[in-house]
Amino acid sequence: ILNVEQSPQSLHVQEGDSTNFTCSFPSSNFYALHWYRWETAKSPEALFVMTLNGDEKKKGRISATLNTKEGYSYLYIKGSQPEDSATYLCARTNDYKLSFGAGTTVTVRA
Amino acid sequence: SAVISQKPSRDICQRGTSLTIQCQVDSQVTMMFWYRQQPGQSLTLIATANQGSEATYESGFVIDKFPISRPNLTFSTLTVSNMSPEDSSIYLCSVVDPSRGGVETQYFGPGTRLLVL
Repeated sequence: ILNVEQSPQSLHVQEGDSTNFTCSFPSSNFYALHWYRWETAKSPEALFVMTLNGDEKKKGRISATLNTKEGYSYLYIKGSQPEDSATYLCARTNDYKLSFGAGTTVTVRA
Repeated sequence: SAVISQKPSRDICQRGTSLTIQCQVDSQVTMMFWYRQQPGQSLTLIATANQGSEATYESGFVIDKFPISRPNLTFSTLTVSNMSPEDSSIYLCSVVDPSRGGVETQYFGPGTRLLVL
């Protein structure tokens, strides 16, 4: 079991503002880090898979960075919109098995 | 990406009963997994569903409580046996196909929301 932690647990953002939150994980024997977006009553949606130290990935207004040496990743949302409201999960891969953090729940207020 | 469906989407059950959750994938996949998320907790891996053989369970999960079948490469079931309120969770199946090589994205079904009274 890999101890993956996310902070904050929840946050509220005004529409149009940008925000970011953190995923920390054990840095030893690192293979890959995954980010998912999970909206209520839907499947968790894969956002990014990151493997290399210094990786930066972008999908629309959402981007992520990875530091494997110190064991953390940031997810950024630029110009938040109400449709960005969801729980964002990160997970470290261990032999195809995902160890998840508890998630950061983002609520975007119009 | 794989399209995954689960049945039922939600259920309310009485303690002591059992519920079987089905997971159907629209393409053949090598690996299938079952996860659960208890209220306020992280998504946690229950087991790896192996086609044609017994599932591989993670620490804290046993076959008698969570029997799993995987008769082919597109279908699996998870049974939650002799349920108690502590089994109230969201149960999700997921798939990954490592045959394509590299780091593979894991795709999830929409989940089954179970409430045990």
